[in-house]
Amino acid sequence: KQEVTQIPAALSVPEGENLVLNCSFTDSAIYNLQWFRQDPGKGLTSLLLIQSSQREQTSGRLNASLDKSSGRSTLYIAASQPGDSATYLCAVSTSGTYKYIFGTGTRLKVLA
Amino acid sequence: NAGVTQTPKFQVLKTGQSMTLQCAQDMNHNSMYWYRQDPGMGLRLIYYSASEGTTDKGEVPNGYNVSRLNKREFSLRLESAAPSQTSVYFCASSEHQQETQYFGPGTRLLVL
Repeated sequence: KQEVTQIPAALSVPEGENLVLNCSFTDSAIYNLQWFRQDPGKGLTSLLLIQSSQREQTSGRLNASLDKSSGRSTLYIAASQPGDSATYLCAVSTSGTYKYIFGTGTRLKVLA
Repeated sequence: NAGVTQTPKFQVLKTGQSMTLQCAQDMNHNSMYWYRQDPGMGLRLIYYSASEGTTDKGEVPNGYNVSRLNKREFSLRLESAAPSQTSVYFCASSEHQQETQYFGPGTRLLVL
């Protein structure tokens, strides 16, 4: 059974710092992986989707990488801003199931 | 485009009462999903509809029923609400399975 873990659960950084959020999964037979952002009391917004055949995806200051063999993905945020404060979740779709399994998220606070 | 809309935003029920959560999307997506989000548990899939006319169980389907009314609308029904169903419910849609998912703003349900 696929399990998705995100460590740490919470992170505080000063504005301007580059940071890395981690996501690990137990079954490497994934179809794709998505990173989402969730603001308090709101729904989820998709940030990046990485297909299993890809190594990374980039959007603006965000870069997501995928290493299937080690069961890991990282979300790199460059030059963090207070507006980046939110909870970041990763979700993994396992081949053949067509369902996403979500991690519990990392709550990020960027201090001005 | 409104994206994914959900009604109601907030609901209080007594144990044993029934209710239907409504979801609609205007992106002409084929696949739609219902999740629940609980503290420390992450998002868990309740039911999904890969395409109009089909529905399948997710990870936690017990106590729920769904209807894919047409391509736009996917409703979730609680026949006899229990306190364990207190949660935040999210509807999502994607053009096809395992593609980028777009989420609604959520429904906060409290069962007393």
